[in-house]
Amino acid sequence: GQSLEQPSEVTAVEGAIVQINCTYQTSGFYGLSWYQQHDGGAPTFLSYNALDGLEETGRFSSFLSRSDSYGYLLLQELQMKDSASYFCALIYNFNKFYFGSGTKLNVKP
Amino acid sequence: NAGVTQTPKFRVLKTGQSMTLLCAQDMNHEYMYWYRQDPGMGLRLIHYSVGEGTTAKGEVPDGYNVSRLKKQNFLLGLESAAPSQTSVYFCASSSTVQEETQYFGPGTRLLVL
Repeated sequence: GQSLEQPSEVTAVEGAIVQINCTYQTSGFYGLSWYQQHDGGAPTFLSYNALDGLEETGRFSSFLSRSDSYGYLLLQELQMKDSASYFCALIYNFNKFYFGSGTKLNVKP
Repeated sequence: NAGVTQTPKFRVLKTGQSMTLLCAQDMNHEYMYWYRQDPGMGLRLIHYSVGEGTTAKGEVPDGYNVSRLKKQNFLLGLESAAPSQTSVYFCASSSTVQEETQYFGPGTRLLVL
């Protein structure tokens, strides 16, 4: 089966950079996606890695290393509105997702 | 273009009652999914569908049934609700050519007493 590990909570200051790690024990997946979810809201797509390396989308970047079974989401120039939960998800056939338990990011002034 | 919609938004059930949650998408997506999310946890896949008339089990299918009679609709049924099914239920859809993105509905909060 799959196993995805994320830190449960991270706190950072407005304007700073924060990295949220995701480690896994599985194989046969197509890629790793990252989703953001505000309290009471629905998950929304942030970033995706099909191949090893860094993908950049504005203030957000994501990284994947299949050899290290490891990925991360990097958030730069943190804003108060970035306070939310962040989930990594492994993607399998038929676009089936297996989600991690999520990391709650608290951004402080 | 409403995206993915879910009905109802909130429901309270008594143990043993039945109900159906409705999910509708207007993006012509082939794939649809039902998840449940419990406090402090990620989303767990209940059932999914890869096309009209097809359904398959996910990680936590017990106690739930689904149907996909029309491409745009995916129904989740609870035949005999249990307190353990108290959760937030999310529906999502996905295109066959965009593997990285699922589009989620706003969720249904279900409380089983």
